[in-house]
Amino acid sequence: DVKVTQSSRYLVKRTGEKVFLECVQDMDHENMFWYRQDPGLGLRLIYFSYDVKMKEKGDIPEGYSVSREKKERFSLILESASTNQTSMYLCASSLERVNTEAFFGQGTRLTVV
Amino acid sequence: KQEVTQIPAALSVPEGENLVLNCSFTDSAIYNLQWFRQDPGKGLTSLLLIQSSQREQTSGRLNASLDKSSGRSTLYIAASQPGDSATYLCAIPQWGNKLVFGAGTILRVKS
Repeated sequence: DVKVTQSSRYLVKRTGEKVFLECVQDMDHENMFWYRQDPGLGLRLIYFSYDVKMKEKGDIPEGYSVSREKKERFSLILESASTNQTSMYLCASSLERVNTEAFFGQGTRLTVV
Repeated sequence: KQEVTQIPAALSVPEGENLVLNCSFTDSAIYNLQWFRQDPGKGLTSLLLIQSSQREQTSGRLNASLDKSSGRSTLYIAASQPGDSATYLCAIPQWGNKLVFGAGTILRVKS
């Protein structure tokens, strides 16, 4: 079975802190994605990556950056956390760029105070 | 731009009922459609992926159908159980496998 693992289930951070959310997948997938999920807004794509050291902006990249130094690991970085970044963050991976199943991690509930 | 709509937003049924969740989409040029389950406070679990060339896909008590021409998919759950209570999401990939999600259907199965 494909496993996508996010480093934390729950995080509480202070406004202005630099925050790292880590995601690791164990199936040699090319593609990795970060989404956030908010009540009433659904799931929205923040960033994605098709290969090591490659990254592309999604629909809501402002205030975020990403890093993909190894194929299995995709990190989401909040450069200076703000309260409006309080959300559920979901990492996903898929084997190829088209027509392949997406697998999600267990989610990280981030609260910025 | 692809838009995905799920109806109903919420559904409450007694245990044992068969039920249907609906997903509609605006652009019929799709690669596939994926159904997910989400338990409260947790991530998404993939249930079924139905390819654009398929009409149906089955896994246990779940059956997903796809009608591209009408822009619709249904998820049929047979003999529902309290453990089926969750939010069900459908999603369609754009190029690059970037998913466009519906808002979900919150299902409650009462024992």
